[in-house]
Amino acid sequence: DADVTQTPRNRITKTGKRIMLECSQTKGHDRMYWYRQDPGLGLRLIYYSFDVKDINKGEISDGYSVSRQAQAKFSLSLESAIPNQTALYFCATSDLTSGRAGELFFGEGSRLTVL
Amino acid sequence: GQNIDQPTEMTATEGAIVQINCTYQTSGFNGLFWYQQHAGEAPTFLSYNVLDGLEEKGRFSSFLSRSKGYSYLLLKELQMKDSASYLCAADPAQFYNTDKLIFGTGTRLQVFP
Repeated sequence: DADVTQTPRNRITKTGKRIMLECSQTKGHDRMYWYRQDPGLGLRLIYYSFDVKDINKGEISDGYSVSRQAQAKFSLSLESAIPNQTALYFCATSDLTSGRAGELFFGEGSRLTVL
Repeated sequence: GQNIDQPTEMTATEGAIVQINCTYQTSGFNGLFWYQQHAGEAPTFLSYNVLDGLEEKGRFSSFLSRSKGYSYLLLKELQMKDSASYLCAADPAQFYNTDKLIFGTGTRLQVFP
């Protein structure tokens, strides 16, 4: 089983709908992230959380919100989805104590299509 | 501003050596990372450089020059399974690692028999 699990893996929705992408991890890491990946644009950081009480905006947070329900769970919401939010979304974790800074462990990705 | 540049695509032959370059301009610098991403899959960590020089790990090596804002990933004895995208990423933190990496757009490497 994957250490970082994302659900759903694929979702097609319509403009204006509320969508939640969920991420859970069994790695025991404190740090969790949400990225989106678009062709030609690379991975861009949406939100990140360094512990349960810490939520921070990334470079492209507009139109998104997050919730860190527990150390192991970090969900991403699109309150009112729009077509330019069509992308591949990745959740990732990292371990502050590992000594290997910046080693991100990614989930398998959630492909979202907004019609 | 923050910027990372790497070639969009490269091709190489099985058994050959390929070098993927990356240049970066960031407000601060706390390390340069390389990730591998096969089509339709998640990125996986390959290497990390924070000091100048070459880090070797099996068939893969990564080099960093902080003064030039330059890194490269060297892949030796290429195999078909090395066909993937290679993502260069930098931590722009000034004083301590933040793990808020800035990613380049990736270099898609195709290995031919």
